[in-house]
Amino acid sequence: GNSVTQMEGPVTLSEEAFLTINCTYTATGYPSLFWYVQYPGEGLQLLLKATKADDKGSNKGFEATYRKETTSFHLEKGSVQVSDSAVYFCALLDTGRRALTFGSGTRLQVQP
Amino acid sequence: DGGITQSPKYLFRKEGQNVTLSCEQNLNHDAMYWYRQDPGQGLRLIYYSQIVNDFQKGDIAEGYSVSREKKESFPLTVTSAQKNPTAFYLCASSISGGNTEAFFGQGTRLTVV
Repeated sequence: GNSVTQMEGPVTLSEEAFLTINCTYTATGYPSLFWYVQYPGEGLQLLLKATKADDKGSNKGFEATYRKETTSFHLEKGSVQVSDSAVYFCALLDTGRRALTFGSGTRLQVQP
Repeated sequence: DGGITQSPKYLFRKEGQNVTLSCEQNLNHDAMYWYRQDPGQGLRLIYYSQIVNDFQKGDIAEGYSVSREKKESFPLTVTSAQKNPTAFYLCASSISGGNTEAFFGQGTRLTVV
C-alpha cells in the first residue's frame, strides 16, 4: 500500500538557518503530494502542494519539488523564523480511495 | 466565513460510554474524512465519505461509527469497543475528484477516564 516516510524530529535550528525536512513516499502511479503544518493544539493547514513530477510547490518561503526518480518531496526554506516552529507533515493523495496518507510528522523548533 | 467546525474542542468521557464528535462544513465539499492523531504520530484515517449516504472504512475503523445523512455533516461516534479512544480527532473535507487538498477543522481532543 501507499506510505510516506519523514525524517524524525525534533529538528532544532537557530533563526535564519537553512531548513530541510526529508520526505519519501511509496505509491502506485504518481500521486499528488502535500506538505501540511500544524501549530500546537490546532488542526492542519496546507503549506504547499505539487500534482505532477518536477512540479515545485512554494508558499511563505517554503519550497518542495516533486522528484519521481527518487520518490521524494523534501521541504526546504532558506531562512527560518521563530514563528515557523510547528509540526510539519508530508502527505500523498491515495488515488484509489481519494484520501490523504500522512507521514509521522517532523517537529521543528527554531530558537532566537 | 467558510470552513470546517468541530465541536467540542475538548471532551471528557468515562470508560465504557459512547461519545459523538461533531463535524460540520460549509465549503460545499462532497468528500469528508475523519483522522486520529496520537502523540508523536502521523494522522491515521478512520472513515471517509465521498458522497452523501455513503462512507467507507479507513485504516483504523474498528470501534468507530459514522453517518453521512447531510452533505454538511459527518459525525463520528467513538464506541465502547474502541480500546484506546483517548486521542486528538481531526475532521477534513475536500472537493471530490481531482488533485485537490483537504481542509481541516481545529480538532477535538477526547480524553477517556
